[in-house]
Amino acid sequence: DVKVTQSSRYLVKRTGEKVFLECVQDMDHENMFWYRQDPGLGLRLIYFSYDVKMKEKGDIPEGYSVSREKKERFSLILESASTNQTSMYLCASTRWGVSTEAFFGQGTRLTVV
Amino acid sequence: QQQVKQSPQSLIVQKGGISIINCAYENTAFDYFPWYQQFPGKGPALLIAIRPDVSEKKEGRFTISFNKSAKQFSLHIMDSQPGDSATYFCAASTVSGGSNYKLTFGKGTLLTVNP
Repeated sequence: DVKVTQSSRYLVKRTGEKVFLECVQDMDHENMFWYRQDPGLGLRLIYFSYDVKMKEKGDIPEGYSVSREKKERFSLILESASTNQTSMYLCASTRWGVSTEAFFGQGTRLTVV
Repeated sequence: QQQVKQSPQSLIVQKGGISIINCAYENTAFDYFPWYQQFPGKGPALLIAIRPDVSEKKEGRFTISFNKSAKQFSLHIMDSQPGDSATYFCAASTVSGGSNYKLTFGKGTLLTVNP
């Protein structure tokens, strides 16, 4: 069974903290993505990566950075967490190609207080 | 800038009825149009997808209708069941940054099917 695993289901962090969200996939996929999901706003792309050490900005990269040191692992970093970054974060992976299926993790509900 | 517009935001249907969700896009470079289904507490999962060279694709009770000239596509769920109650996202993808693609999602439709 294919899997995308996010390290935490729920996180509570304080304003100004540095936050790491981890994602691991076991399908040897080239592409990995980070989205945030907010009610009424759908899924918005933060960053994606198509190869180790490669990254591209998505639609809302401000306040975030990413790291991909190994093919199977993609980390999202909030350099200084703010309350407006309270959200559901979803990681996804795909094989290379325009019409391949995206596999999502179960999501991390981050609350910044 | 919303590249994929989805409507309605929420939809209530009686069991056995037809659920219809619509999406429109602006970017003519989009060349793959999937629909994802998300149940509470889960990540989205691919439901059905279409390429722009066909006007319709059917898988069981789920059908995508695609109108390239109008830049619109829709999901039809026939004989809707309570188990279909979920959030549905349309999406579109195109090549970004050379040879890599990214998915752009609509805002989602919360479907409730009453028994």
